[in-house]
Amino acid sequence: ETGVTQTPRHLVMGMTNKKSLKCEQHLGHNAMYWYKQSAKKPLELMFVYSLEERVENNSVPSRFSPECPNSSHLFLHLHTLQPEDSALYLCASRPSGSSYNEQFFGPGTRLTVL
Amino acid sequence: AQSVAQPEDQVNVAEGNPLTVKCTYSVSGNPYLFWYVQYPNRGLQFLLKYITGDNLVKGSYGFEAEFNKSQTSFHLKKPSALVSDSALYFCAVRDDTGGFKTIFGAGTRLFVKA
Repeated sequence: ETGVTQTPRHLVMGMTNKKSLKCEQHLGHNAMYWYKQSAKKPLELMFVYSLEERVENNSVPSRFSPECPNSSHLFLHLHTLQPEDSALYLCASRPSGSSYNEQFFGPGTRLTVL
Repeated sequence: AQSVAQPEDQVNVAEGNPLTVKCTYSVSGNPYLFWYVQYPNRGLQFLLKYITGDNLVKGSYGFEAEFNKSQTSFHLKKPSALVSDSALYFCAVRDDTGGFKTIFGAGTRLFVKA
């Protein structure tokens, strides 16, 4: 276990639903990330929350919206998704302050959009 | 711009034989290089990293990686493969110029046959 938890682990939703993914870490890290993992594609960075890093959202559709209420919790709010959004969504955290600190990943949420 | 290439989608090796998973990179400044492993239905787990100094880096589970600046490579190696090493392996890079992202490769699937 890495110390990063994600809920739910599996989610099936219709295109008109609204749902949220949750990520939690109590490692004292102050940078948190959302990634999208699709088959045979590189990991796609969706969003970053950190005091020293900007939030990445330039190419992510607006049907995905992140929320970071504090340094331990991260949410990804989903609405009117498309079937091509089906993927594994990974949360990660990292101690900021040094570029060489590695990331700690959660187990992911497997999302299926019908 | 930063980039990472893992030229092999899949590597097959017999148990007990040495294994190599290849990675090449491109960054503007000095690189920080990482290897992560992903087992089925799990998130990514950190294996090892290169920051500076000795070109041979040792990590978890008997893995090591060799940094080669002239060839811009960071290949993952293990002297004797185990069936339990079968997984998806990701190479990643950050640079020291203040870049905000960790760039991941597309991943290489390792199959170790008994």
